[in-house]
Amino acid sequence: AQSVAQPEDQVNVAEGNPLTVKCTYSVSGNPYLFWYVQYPNRGLQFLLKYITGDNLVKGSYGFEAEFNKSQTSFHLKKPSALVSDSALYFCAVRFSGGYNKLIFGAGTRLAVHP
Amino acid sequence: DADVTQTPRNRITKTGKRIMLECSQTKGHDRMYWYRQDPGLGLRLIYYSFDVKDINKGEISDGYSVSRQAQAKFSLSLESAIPNQTALYFCATSGGTDNTEAFFGQGTRLTVV
Repeated sequence: AQSVAQPEDQVNVAEGNPLTVKCTYSVSGNPYLFWYVQYPNRGLQFLLKYITGDNLVKGSYGFEAEFNKSQTSFHLKKPSALVSDSALYFCAVRFSGGYNKLIFGAGTRLAVHP
Repeated sequence: DADVTQTPRNRITKTGKRIMLECSQTKGHDRMYWYRQDPGLGLRLIYYSFDVKDINKGEISDGYSVSRQAQAKFSLSLESAIPNQTALYFCATSGGTDNTEAFFGQGTRLTVV
């Protein structure tokens, strides 16, 4: 079955430190991978995506993610966390030929402390 | 104005009542989706539509129905609401290829009492 896993319910990091939010996927085709962020009382906002090419993709607000095909992972990273990065982060995957269905992970809450 | 607009933003309804959630978009996308969000479960797909004549069930369609009234409008109905349908509901749109990102509305918080 095709699925997305975010193994951490919550990630805590001090402001200024690097952050990583983990995502792994199970796929039977070529995956398109996405990260979204949800701030309180808001909808989901697109951060970045991997389609093909360079395994390191850069997105909004200084975030980047690294696609690792052998480990089937797509971890979200930021070199220096801000308190304003505190939010709920979702990894999602769409499979080519999968009728455009977007499958989401359960979400990881990021808490950045001053 | 938001590209994807959901109405209402909040709704409290009684068990057994029929309720409709509405979604409209100005992005000109063909593809529209309805998801529900529950704590610890992420977003789960209820229904999706590739155009006005195309409606497909998602992974949790039981108890829901949809209508694609126009390219820009996609509504979700709960024919007889039950408490376990209490959730945050999102409408989303995307372009015509698999590698395009989805755009989400602000969400509708539905409480069934």
